[in-house]
Amino acid sequence: AQTVTQSQPEMSVQEAETVTLSCTYDTSESDYYLFWYKQPPSRQMILVIRQEAYKQQNATENRFSVNFQKAAKSFSLKISDSQLGDAAMYFCASSGSARQLTFGSGTQLTVLP
Amino acid sequence: GAVVSQHPSRVICKSGTSVKIECRSLDFQATTMFWYRQFPKQSLMLMATSNEGSKATYEQGVEKDKFLINHASLTLSTLTVTSAHPEDSSFYICSARTQGVHGYTFGSGTRLTVV
Repeated sequence: AQTVTQSQPEMSVQEAETVTLSCTYDTSESDYYLFWYKQPPSRQMILVIRQEAYKQQNATENRFSVNFQKAAKSFSLKISDSQLGDAAMYFCASSGSARQLTFGSGTQLTVLP
Repeated sequence: GAVVSQHPSRVICKSGTSVKIECRSLDFQATTMFWYRQFPKQSLMLMATSNEGSKATYEQGVEKDKFLINHASLTLSTLTVTSAHPEDSSFYICSARTQGVHGYTFGSGTRLTVV
């Protein structure tokens, strides 16, 4: 079984600043994937970034990047140059051989103008 | 890109009635569909996993006779909430595995209110 823990229920960041959302996970599998999803007020789930566990290089997508520490089972998300549109609930998730997603409890991000 | 169309987006029904939620994969074949339930300001909780042509696998604590899942074709999966009660009021989301790439496509969700 996989577990995903997000220890920050709420975070805030000033517009144009950088913020890091924390996530730790636990799995007994060697082949797995990690994700960050964004859920804005519309509640549509939007993929932010994906990391294959076998890849050592941290994934990046424009202003979004991850710090993947496999030994520590840590997978944090860094948002640079924060924009008002980044305000949302962010979920960390993992997927293993069963191919189902296991979600963390979420972090509500507020962007202050 | 892959799109999953979920309908209705919002439904209000009377207690004791049944409600059907549909998820259609528009431009790909969804061999596996996941159904989630989400309460306000909480995470997504997996209810069941359905595979085309076979019975759904329900998570512990989910009543399979209450939440009927049908995945009769590669492009359509349905969730029927039978004999709905106010405690079934929630946000329901489907998600399909995207073939070829280890990814998932989510429907836009259904807000169910039972009065």
